[in-house]
Amino acid sequence: ETGVTQTPRHLVMGMTNKKSLKCEQHLGHNAMYWYKQSAKKPLELMFVYSLEERVENNSVPSRFSPECPNSSHLFLHLHTLQPEDSALYLCASSQSQGWTEAFFGQGTRLTVV
Amino acid sequence: RKEVEQDPGPFNVPEGATVAFNCTYSNSASQSFFWYRQDCRKEPKLLMSVYSSGNEDGRFTAQLNRASQYISLLIRDSKLSDSATYLCVVAGQDTGRRALTFGSGTRLQVQP
Repeated sequence: ETGVTQTPRHLVMGMTNKKSLKCEQHLGHNAMYWYKQSAKKPLELMFVYSLEERVENNSVPSRFSPECPNSSHLFLHLHTLQPEDSALYLCASSQSQGWTEAFFGQGTRLTVV
Repeated sequence: RKEVEQDPGPFNVPEGATVAFNCTYSNSASQSFFWYRQDCRKEPKLLMSVYSSGNEDGRFTAQLNRASQYISLLIRDSKLSDSATYLCVVAGQDTGRRALTFGSGTRLQVQP
């Protein structure tokens, strides 16, 4: 069982669709993150959850909605996305928020058409 | 000024060469530092943490210079399998964000 798993690995959705990305960590970590990686850009932090409480929302449009039902699971709900939202979405977890190394899932490659 | 800056490269080096990357960070209160490796279309993976005293892991050596606010990564005896993008990562209590901040990466291409 890998440490952080994400599903689906690939997703193509229309601009009017609603979909959700799922992340699960098996490391017993207390913090989970969503990052976005667009072509030729650095990783951009979207959301941080620590002990299931959202502690940071990095000015992300409301068409992205995170949910953290427990310390092992993290979701990113998507609706009415734009083509420029096409990117690699990476989930990560760490033992403590913002201090220790983070471990990443394999990512979801999202294409909005 | 970017919080974490790296030369994007690419660095094209022959097998067996020694190559060094530098990274500068803007927040002097940063306290944790890492190097990650990212292969094409894959997730970043932790390569090594960077300690104040410097640290070495096989062919890889990382150094931290707090006074000048830069971090370095040295790779000796480069292998073809070292070809990847190397990400400099910074974190700390006063960075204004409570998560790791990533540089945009330095691309390394090791050639036969």
